[in-house]
Amino acid sequence: EDQVTQSPEALRLQEGESSSLNCSYTVSGLRGLFWYRQDPGKGPEFLFTLYSAGEEKEKERLKATLTKKESFLHITAPKPEDSATYLCAVQATNAGKSTFGDGTTLTVKP
Amino acid sequence: NAGVTQTPKFQVLKTGQSMTLQCAQDMNHNSMYWYRQDPGMGLRLIYYSASEGTTDKGEVPNGYNVSRLNKREFSLRLESAAPSQTSVYFCASSVVWVNNEQFFGPGTRLTVL
Repeated sequence: EDQVTQSPEALRLQEGESSSLNCSYTVSGLRGLFWYRQDPGKGPEFLFTLYSAGEEKEKERLKATLTKKESFLHITAPKPEDSATYLCAVQATNAGKSTFGDGTTLTVKP
Repeated sequence: NAGVTQTPKFQVLKTGQSMTLQCAQDMNHNSMYWYRQDPGMGLRLIYYSASEGTTDKGEVPNGYNVSRLNKREFSLRLESAAPSQTSVYFCASSVVWVNNEQFFGPGTRLTVL
């Protein structure tokens, strides 16, 4: 059974204080790992897809990386508007669905 | 493009009542999904439709039924609502099932008394 564990559950940062969110996964064969951002009261918004170990993707202050067992979402010099819950999901090979983690809630204080 | 739309936004039901949640997408996506999200938890898949004409169970299908009405629309039905079904329900779609980059609707907040 596919499993996704995200840590920490919650992270509080000062504006400008860089950090990383972790997503550990167990899957029979990885087709893709996905990162989403979810603002309170809204649906998740797609950020990145990573397909193979060593792959990296960047978008503004966010950079996602992938190894064979985990993914990291690095946040560089965060701003208050980066405050949200970040969800990680994995899709197994030949699976038509993804398994989501419980998310990390990030709060960035000015 | 409206993306993924869901109706209603809010709903209160009494135990035993039935209702249908509606979802539509205008992105010409082939695959559609229904999730529930409970406080402090991630998304749990209820049902999905990899392509028009097919539906499959997800992690938590009990108490729900779905209909893929056409390529655009995917509805979720609660036949006899229970308090345990109080949750926020999200519909999502993706271009094809082999690439699960999903686009989500705004959600339906359902309370069952």
